[in-house]
Amino acid sequence: DAKTTQPPSMDCAEGRAANLPCNHSTISGNEYVYWYRQIHSQGPQYIIHGLKNNETNEMASLIITEDRKSSTLILPHATLRDTAVYYCIVRVASNTGKLIFGQGTTLQVKP
Amino acid sequence: GAVVSQHPSRVICKSGTSVKIECRSLDFQATTMFWYRQFPKQSLMLMATSNEGSKATYEQGVEKDKFLINHASLTLSTLTVTSAHPEDSSFYICSARDPQYGYEQYFGPGTRLTVT
Repeated sequence: DAKTTQPPSMDCAEGRAANLPCNHSTISGNEYVYWYRQIHSQGPQYIIHGLKNNETNEMASLIITEDRKSSTLILPHATLRDTAVYYCIVRVASNTGKLIFGQGTTLQVKP
Repeated sequence: GAVVSQHPSRVICKSGTSVKIECRSLDFQATTMFWYRQFPKQSLMLMATSNEGSKATYEQGVEKDKFLINHASLTLSTLTVTSAHPEDSSFYICSARDPQYGYEQYFGPGTRLTVT
């Protein structure tokens, strides 16, 4: 699976949009981009995933560049409860596909 | 839907004893479950992939005789830490895939193991 690079930490003001970048320059054509987050001392939570088109759900939006070498997770109106570690993972979608977690980005939402 | 539970949430045991952690998919059947370990201030590390009715597949460096995994039904996988030592103290997390929702993994709340 392709390796990802994320900034170790970011701050965001409550109510503002949080834009979390991820580089995955070695991504293969059949690999998806997944985003999970982990609030302190809890199990990770699935947020969103995509292949090449931009995706949006009730939690966030995922913007993938045309060359697929990077992506951005957007939380449109960050709240204090969005403070967490956000993991960007690329992998092939398959029945037994493993998730390999990197170090992620610690997002601190401040009042 | 897609809820995964773990039991216990916290456990303290003495060095040399064995501890069993349960992972259950509450509202779906999971043919595949995954076990992770997370040390303080570190990321999750995949330990093994558990397939219902067959032997688990362990990641490199994970001792299969120390971390026994059983996936006897479509809703239950167990991880037994045998002869636990203080260095096994960690946060253990399981995940499962719900075929109805594609290939996303859904995670349990985790089990905090402390070996004294």
